Amino acid sequence: GESVGLHLPTLSVQEGDNSIINCAYSNSASDYFIWYKQESGKGPQFIIDIRSNMDKRQGQRVTVLLNKTVKHLSLQIAATQPGDSAVYFCAENGNYGQNFVFGPGTRLSVLP
Amino acid sequence: DGGITQSPKYLFRKEGQNVTLSCEQNLNHDAMYWYRQDPGQGLRLIYYSQIVNDFQKGDIAEGYSVSREKKESFPLTVTSAQKNPTAFYLCASSIQDRGQRNQPQHFGDGTRLSIL
Repeated sequence: GESVGLHLPTLSVQEGDNSIINCAYSNSASDYFIWYKQESGKGPQFIIDIRSNMDKRQGQRVTVLLNKTVKHLSLQIAATQPGDSAVYFCAENGNYGQNFVFGPGTRLSVLP
Repeated sequence: DGGITQSPKYLFRKEGQNVTLSCEQNLNHDAMYWYRQDPGQGLRLIYYSQIVNDFQKGDIAEGYSVSREKKESFPLTVTSAQKNPTAFYLCASSIQDRGQRNQPQHFGDGTRLSIL
């Protein structure tokens, strides 16, 4: 479902630490998931995706974990850098042709 | 470079005025989308088009109109009937997978619309 609120949850991490950003999705029939990064004043940038036949997928410094049992998705960022500061949000989709549902996002703040 | 170009970056609308937001892509994508982003909320779908000369309403189409005369272009008009148009508008595109698997949407850098 849609979350409404003026203030996004914020995660603050020290530079060099690992970050874990979570997303609870709503539709048990969803089978395709994407993580996006959005910097201030810019459009969302694709980071990584995962389909429901997998529970883990790795990219460069990022890992996405999918737990279909509890409808939970997470994004792990290794060795977080100042350039990682942004809003991160997940998107879910079910059957082909259906529209994506987007989460409101989490703001990641990297502390020096 | 291939990508999605939205213009203008900032737009101001007067009361009773229609304004048109431009979206052009050179990715050769069949499908294009318009979303509205409000603070603290997930993206909401306004209109989408899967093929030239065809488009469908999304979740919040009232007060908006679109056209898809060319594959590369999907302009959005915010009409005077949209009473709360102040938002960040995002255009996206994606390929149509012949294997019918969902594919990621790629976004432009948005247009911020404000009311004068």
